Amino acid sequence: SQTIHQWPATLVQPVGSPLSLECTVEGTSNPNLYWYRQAAGRGLQLLFYSVGIGQISSEVPQNLSASRPQDRQFILSSKKLLLSDSGFYLCARGQGFSYNEQFFGPGTRLTVL
Amino acid sequence: DQQVKQNSPSLSVQEGRISILNCDYTNSMFDYFLWYKKYPAEGPTFLISISSIKDKNEDGRFTVFLNKSAKHLSLHIVPSQPGDSAVYFCAASNFGSARQLTFGSGTQLTVLP
Repeated sequence: SQTIHQWPATLVQPVGSPLSLECTVEGTSNPNLYWYRQAAGRGLQLLFYSVGIGQISSEVPQNLSASRPQDRQFILSSKKLLLSDSGFYLCARGQGFSYNEQFFGPGTRLTVL
Repeated sequence: DQQVKQNSPSLSVQEGRISILNCDYTNSMFDYFLWYKKYPAEGPTFLISISSIKDKNEDGRFTVFLNKSAKHLSLHIVPSQPGDSAVYFCAASNFGSARQLTFGSGTQLTVLP
């Protein structure tokens, strides 16, 4: 199984509140993990990726952060949400450096009010 | 700087006819290209991919064509079915750390019965 779990599915948070989105994956060990965001009416933007435990690379400067405390767990966080953080957050997995596809989780819809 | 562009935000096609979705890229280092299909409030689903060493890849009703000299790829769906109605994203990657994907902005395909 290569299942990807994301929770919560939907979240409404006030501006300035903290955020924690969790992604866990099943299947082969040491996957590459990714966080993407899709803003309303736009494409998918890569936010963070991780090639291993504790290894995080950031693609876009912002007030979000990511952590990978376990091999199959990827967490997206913020200390203080902004209105512009609203969007659809997607976790994805890939495997190694070969020509491989990324597989996506069901996503979390975040609305910041 | 958009490295992957889908210039048509929407496309309508009659059921049974061919759907052609287009994608252009600017980064000559990209060596692997993918198409994803996405329904609202769901994660993208991988459809088909192509390596830069090929110019065509076929999988059932879906065919992807790659023109490296023009930096252009297209997805053909034949015959189109109403269930194909969704947003289609093209994505590109290059060999490197984690093989992160760069996505286009998507094309909304509507197949009319």
